[in-house]
Amino acid sequence: DAGVTQSPTHLIKTRGQQVTLRCSPKSGHDTVSWYQQALGQGPQFIFQYYEEEERQRGNFPDRFSGHQYPNYSSELNVNALLLGDSALYLCASRPGRRGTDTQYFGPGTRLTVL
Amino acid sequence: QKEVEQNSGPLSVPEGAIASLNCTYSDRGSQSFFWYRQYSGKSPELIMFIYSNGDKEDGRFTAQLNKASQYVSLLIRDSQPSDSATYLCAVLAGGSYIPTFGRGTSLIVHP
Repeated sequence: DAGVTQSPTHLIKTRGQQVTLRCSPKSGHDTVSWYQQALGQGPQFIFQYYEEEERQRGNFPDRFSGHQYPNYSSELNVNALLLGDSALYLCASRPGRRGTDTQYFGPGTRLTVL
Repeated sequence: QKEVEQNSGPLSVPEGAIASLNCTYSDRGSQSFFWYRQYSGKSPELIMFIYSNGDKEDGRFTAQLNKASQYVSLLIRDSQPSDSATYLCAVLAGGSYIPTFGRGTSLIVHP
């Protein structure tokens, strides 16, 4: 049983560019959340997708957008990249929207913006 | 504004000792509490979770909740060098779908 997978593993972009990160949830999971983790900080919630809709959003600008497909996989798009967007981007999946459902993290995508 | 606070450390303990990690939270209505372990360069891994109704022990790990003082602790008995990692506390407020994470405490277990 595959766990949460993310691609790519690492990515280097320059300021102003756009990036798309991808996530496949654990089998049986239909809810996907995205987090940004800067160095030395805890994960910061970006948004959550359930039934192909954004259900909840953290304090991130509209440059951050996402999508969920019918197979529950998800994408995170970031436009007009800034140096401060350099971070580890984590995808987490869970079998339902309830917060008490255990969520599992993927390995993350390390984004570096130059 | 829901806040979760952790001392960033590092907390250094000798091998075989008990490591005690603490996390305070601001929302008195919080009902679920999670501890994640994160090795350097890796993603967080869930090691323990408890609800507001009690403590929990799992092998060498014990999670304890003090609701009156609004803090949750993680005790690691017989600490091993392989326990060296950052430990993240996450708290779920009542009625919320999204846990709030602390910044993590770095634990170093030295031989």
